[in-house]
Amino acid sequence: DAGVIQSPRHEVTEMGQEVTLRCKPISGHDYLFWYRQTMMRGLELLIYFNNNVPIDDSGMPEDRFSAKMPNASFSTLKIQPSEPRDSAVYFCASTAGTGGNEKLFFGSGTQLSVL
Amino acid sequence: RKEVEQDPGPFNVPEGATVAFNCTYSNSASQSFFWYRQDCRKEPKLLMSVYSSGNEDGRFTAQLNRASQYISLLIRDSKLSDSATYLCVVNGGGGSYIPTFGRGTSLIVHP
Repeated sequence: DAGVIQSPRHEVTEMGQEVTLRCKPISGHDYLFWYRQTMMRGLELLIYFNNNVPIDDSGMPEDRFSAKMPNASFSTLKIQPSEPRDSAVYFCASTAGTGGNEKLFFGSGTQLSVL
Repeated sequence: RKEVEQDPGPFNVPEGATVAFNCTYSNSASQSFFWYRQDCRKEPKLLMSVYSSGNEDGRFTAQLNRASQYISLLIRDSKLSDSATYLCVVNGGGGSYIPTFGRGTSLIVHP
């Protein structure tokens, strides 16, 4: 299995531009999570999906952020317009099951720099 | 109060030392607990789950104290390769399944 695949690995953009981050979870996993990691705040949960349905998006910073999961094998996180304070590493993670004891598998992350 | 709190460190120890990290959590209804390891510029990876009775995996021992709402990780005979950030993760509570991460504790093992 290829694991969780994220793209791009690095993204450098200018303030005001639209940014789209992509994630392919592990096949068969029914939970998908988007996290953001910064030195100041650590790993923050932005949103998570169960069976492609958004369950909790209370961590999404503001309306500039949106996430979709059109099918079981693909999710996007979009920032429009981007701002310098959005610079961070964005991780996607997936897991299977509902018991809460399941291991999270993370992608390699997208390092986003907004200039 | 943050949901999951850890001492950020860094803990700077020589090879062969024993080092322990603690993590406190605020939700008394939390159901499951984990330690993840994150190397510099890499993604977090599961190190071990934490069970109520305590559990061991080689040089690593994890313990849970529900009454005081903390979990611990003990590393014996530290190796240079143990240098990383150790993240405490708490799941569940109140019927929700939302893994909440601490900010991590940095460990540096030196020769």
